[in-house]
Amino acid sequence: QKEVEQDPGPLSVPEGAIVSLNCTYSNSAFQYFMWYRQYSRKGPELLMYTYSSGNKEDGRFTAQVDKSSKYISLFIRDSQPSDSATYLCAMRDTNAGKSTFGDGTTLTVKP
Amino acid sequence: GAVVSQHPSWVICKSGTSVKIECRSLDFQATTMFWYRQFPKQSLMLMATSNEGSKATYEQGVEKDKFLINHASLTLSTLTVTSAHPEDSSFYICSARAEGGVGPQHFGDGTRLSIL
Repeated sequence: QKEVEQDPGPLSVPEGAIVSLNCTYSNSAFQYFMWYRQYSRKGPELLMYTYSSGNKEDGRFTAQVDKSSKYISLFIRDSQPSDSATYLCAMRDTNAGKSTFGDGTTLTVKP
Repeated sequence: GAVVSQHPSWVICKSGTSVKIECRSLDFQATTMFWYRQFPKQSLMLMATSNEGSKATYEQGVEKDKFLINHASLTLSTLTVTSAHPEDSSFYICSARAEGGVGPQHFGDGTRLSIL
């Protein structure tokens, strides 16, 4: 079983919809949580960076972390066709040098 | 802020040649840099982690003599694919974390390597 599980999708929604992307994990030592967006043939772009449990909002994006359930989410409000990409969750513990990534969820927002 | 530049973005070369890819952190000093490989429609595969001034730590199954990594300064790491063959064709992406090790990784835009 992988340390980080992410539904690969693909996920297709109409423009303007609220999108929910999720990851579960098994390592209770994870403290730092990240969401990245990757367009085709580009490197991942950092969207959200959170520490421990709680919510963080940035524009149309909201990241939620529930450490008790080992579950993190990224919500996208008023989704746009330009949000069509692969979304990767990532996490690491306090001391590790490397992050553990999910396999990514491919999202398509249709006009 | 937190810009990582990777060069070249695309390279095509003949089998048997060596290819060097550069990764630079433009506006921060990177204690740690990471090199990933990604096949089409697949996730990131970590190849190695490098810390400035010390030898890189390679993931299991990655040939250190094949993929030479140098992290000579806090802003530059290089990956050299030696004697490249068609099976080395892939998308290579570098990533950097700021000095102190706290904070997220920031990624370059990747290098598409095609070996003929």
